[in-house]
Amino acid sequence: DSGVTQTPKHLITATGQRVTLRCSPRSGDLSVYWYQQSLDQGLQFLIQYYNGEERAKGNILERFSAQQFPDLHSELNLSSLELGDSALYFCASSLLDRGHPLDSPLHFGNGTRLTVT
Amino acid sequence: LAKTTQPISMDSYEGQEVNITCSHNNIATNDYITWYQQFPSQGPRFIIQGYKTKVTNEVASLFIPADRKSSTLSLPRVSLSDTAVYYCLVGDTDYKLSFGAGTTVTVRA
Repeated sequence: DSGVTQTPKHLITATGQRVTLRCSPRSGDLSVYWYQQSLDQGLQFLIQYYNGEERAKGNILERFSAQQFPDLHSELNLSSLELGDSALYFCASSLLDRGHPLDSPLHFGNGTRLTVT
Repeated sequence: LAKTTQPISMDSYEGQEVNITCSHNNIATNDYITWYQQFPSQGPRFIIQGYKTKVTNEVASLFIPADRKSSTLSLPRVSLSDTAVYYCLVGDTDYKLSFGAGTTVTVRA
């Protein structure tokens, strides 16, 4: 158990809809990362937050947004959903910010499987 | 961004030792080398991390030569449950943002 909790585990919705994925990081971790993994695809980095502030953005679509709250949990909002958004969405947390000289590994949740029909 | 190269796939049999080598010719002085394991439909799991020489934990060993331009993850006496994708990441400011394709290790009975 990594200590990272993602809810819901599964989500089935229709095209055009909006969903929110939730992530609770490991206790004490300040950094949260979101990744997307489509079928047979690698992990695509979406966005990172550190202590409530956005720190890095990957190839995140404009229809997607995220935030990290004061209690450090994070939410990923996906809107105007398309069939191609069907994927596993992973959240990971780490103790330190990614640019810190002392490295801290990522701890991943088990993901939310999103199916858009 | 420090680039890594690792084999796409490797096959092995139960009880054998599996060694996965990752090349990272452009590794910087302060970079760490980190390996993750991912099972289907699960998030990647941190296996081991090192900076130089050899690191060993209860799961694996990581060998890093003096020039640090490569590293080898060693999985002793693999079992069927070690079948997974293994990712090598080399740290710089942005390294956590790119996992690459990884190495698919298939362990057969």
